[in-house]
Amino acid sequence: DGGITQSPKYLFRKEGQNVTLSCEQNLNHDAMYWYRQDPGQGLRLIYYSQIVNDFQKGDIAEGYSVSREKKESFPLTVTSAQKNPTAFYLCASSMLFDNYGYTFGSGTRLTVV
Amino acid sequence: QKEVEQNSGPLSVPEGAIASLNCTYSDRGSQSFFWYRQYSGKSPELIMSIYSNGDKEDGRFTAQLNKASQYVSLLIRDSQPSDSATYLCAVAGSSNTGKLIFGQGTTLQVKP
Repeated sequence: DGGITQSPKYLFRKEGQNVTLSCEQNLNHDAMYWYRQDPGQGLRLIYYSQIVNDFQKGDIAEGYSVSREKKESFPLTVTSAQKNPTAFYLCASSMLFDNYGYTFGSGTRLTVV
Repeated sequence: QKEVEQNSGPLSVPEGAIASLNCTYSDRGSQSFFWYRQYSGKSPELIMSIYSNGDKEDGRFTAQLNKASQYVSLLIRDSQPSDSATYLCAVAGSSNTGKLIFGQGTTLQVKP
């Protein structure tokens, strides 16, 4: 079955540590997105990519980095520069130039310990 | 002005009633509109999409779109406690890249 897989489901980060969240899709979608969601809040866009080897900053890119070396994969690194990383991180994908909306992964819950 | 606005709620309705969720958007050229349901601690799931003015029905759900008023709504008939969730309105802007703009979400509580 086609879908979008995020791992791990739960992640604990120590102060000053970089961590990488995985996002893989087998839907042959062109575009991929990373969102952050804080308790009781909406989705905030971190980064998105519409084609391989290209990506754009979203509204809250500071302290995060991404890569898009393969169409299927869009990992997100939360760096030590991100001072408040505890949140629920959602990856999504979509086709470009169609109007069928996003498919979301199941999310990664990151906690600073 | 936010690009997509929703009342955060909570909206509380009794079981069996009609729940009405509303959303306004600012980009007049927007063409595609979506409603996602998000249970606490889970990821959003697509429940309705609408592209043309008027109503679109799917089971107990009806999406309504009025492009002239820049308004989209979701009606849930015969509300059940299992409908208790946050409902996110999402709009694809006029750039037609597939990128969605999300509202803050409305929390719905259906009381038995």
